[in-house]
Amino acid sequence: EPEVTQTPSHQVTQMGQEVILRCVPISNHLYFYWYRQILGQKVEFLVSFYNNEISEKSEIFDDQFSVERPDGSNFTLKIRSTKLEDSAMYFCASSWVGGLNEQYFGPGTRLTVT
Amino acid sequence: AQRVTQPEKLLSVFKGAPVELKCNYSYSGSPELFWYVQYSRQRLQLLLRHISRESIKGFTADLNKGETSFHLKKPFAQEEDSAMYYCALSPPLDRGSTLGRLYFGRGTQLTVWP
Repeated sequence: EPEVTQTPSHQVTQMGQEVILRCVPISNHLYFYWYRQILGQKVEFLVSFYNNEISEKSEIFDDQFSVERPDGSNFTLKIRSTKLEDSAMYFCASSWVGGLNEQYFGPGTRLTVT
Repeated sequence: AQRVTQPEKLLSVFKGAPVELKCNYSYSGSPELFWYVQYSRQRLQLLLRHISRESIKGFTADLNKGETSFHLKKPFAQEEDSAMYYCALSPPLDRGSTLGRLYFGRGTQLTVWP
């Protein structure tokens, strides 16, 4: 069964550094999402993406964040200058055209900012 | 504002006992409601959605608009049901949330003892 994949599984970075989290959505899906979960807190929506542009973003998704679909398969989340509070598990999700709300999640990338 | 409340952080039952995981929501309209499950070391996956009115792995959930609840129930819990369960809400697609942004509750860790 097709799955959403994410790399790396764990990323450690120093405060102020840029990180890129990568996701490969399921191949026939056209809608993509990033969520994050700070330890002990809720899973929070960051951004949704369709047709090569952001469809919706939350208040968390400020100018330090950006998303890109550079090559038709990968879907990336970039944090330009990481802060300690960016430490979290980041989940990518995708859904197909016919079932917009059935989102399939990746295993997550644990980002640790030191 | 949209809000999903799962009042129980932890829930333990014995195998064969009934289980109910509570979920209340706050939304001025008719959202779509979901239950997602995350088994140990696995990814978030959709368990069921209210619009489907189906039973998955013996679990059912009824949307009660009067009480704004979407509790998850199973009459006879099994050890393999032990997992983290998340209730989630998505505004209907005709209300501006074009791509099914999900609002999650904090989750309930269910443990089923043998």
